[in-house]
Amino acid sequence: GAGVSQSPSNKVTEKGKDVELRCDPISGHTALYWYRQRLGQGLEFLIYFQGNSAPDKSGLPSDRFSAERTGESVSTLTIQRTQQEDSAVYLCASSLAVAGGTGELFFGEGSRLTVL
Amino acid sequence: KNQVEQSPQSLIILEGKNCTLQCNYTVSPFSNLRWYKQDTGRGPVSLTIMTFSENTKSNGRYTATLDADTKQSSLHITASQLSDSASYICVVSAGTGGFKTIFGAGTRLFVKA
Repeated sequence: GAGVSQSPSNKVTEKGKDVELRCDPISGHTALYWYRQRLGQGLEFLIYFQGNSAPDKSGLPSDRFSAERTGESVSTLTIQRTQQEDSAVYLCASSLAVAGGTGELFFGEGSRLTVL
Repeated sequence: KNQVEQSPQSLIILEGKNCTLQCNYTVSPFSNLRWYKQDTGRGPVSLTIMTFSENTKSNGRYTATLDADTKQSSLHITASQLSDSASYICVVSAGTGGFKTIFGAGTRLFVKA
């Protein structure tokens, strides 16, 4: 597609339920990032995928959070046993990460998660 | 530790006025620095990119500066408009390929009529 697409745009769930958030990056972009943004706060890095390399999971806040990416396409972020503190906008970004590249991130519109 | 700090946290200005946002970073090895604009409820969008050798770059009413020696950058907005109300995020990329990105917390700008 023309841009990064995320779904759902809004998700309301009950505490303790699992949720899956999806990201379709720009075609051809080898790098994909997930960020969390709480209300009024900055972006918090969660995880980074680059091609077939092992993902950088250093930002995942707990083992309830996991993410997968199929090749250089779709990624899903899964949050198990959701808690109210997980309420935030989850932003996905992709970039054409090549050696010496500028690394511009192209963001989706985000998935707003509300845990009741 | 790689860090990006922005100031002020928030800023209120009148329409038509100028303003300058600051970004200090401790990121090594430095690859490039970008300023992103994030409108409320939207994803961030890149405004400018600064590489090590660049001092000033303009994009319409936005002018970014970079001092690689002091590790400081600024974003100057001229003749502000109501549509400039947004968060402005300084992002520094590290590494030879610029793959690792460190985000500042952003400056929230409010432009009032």
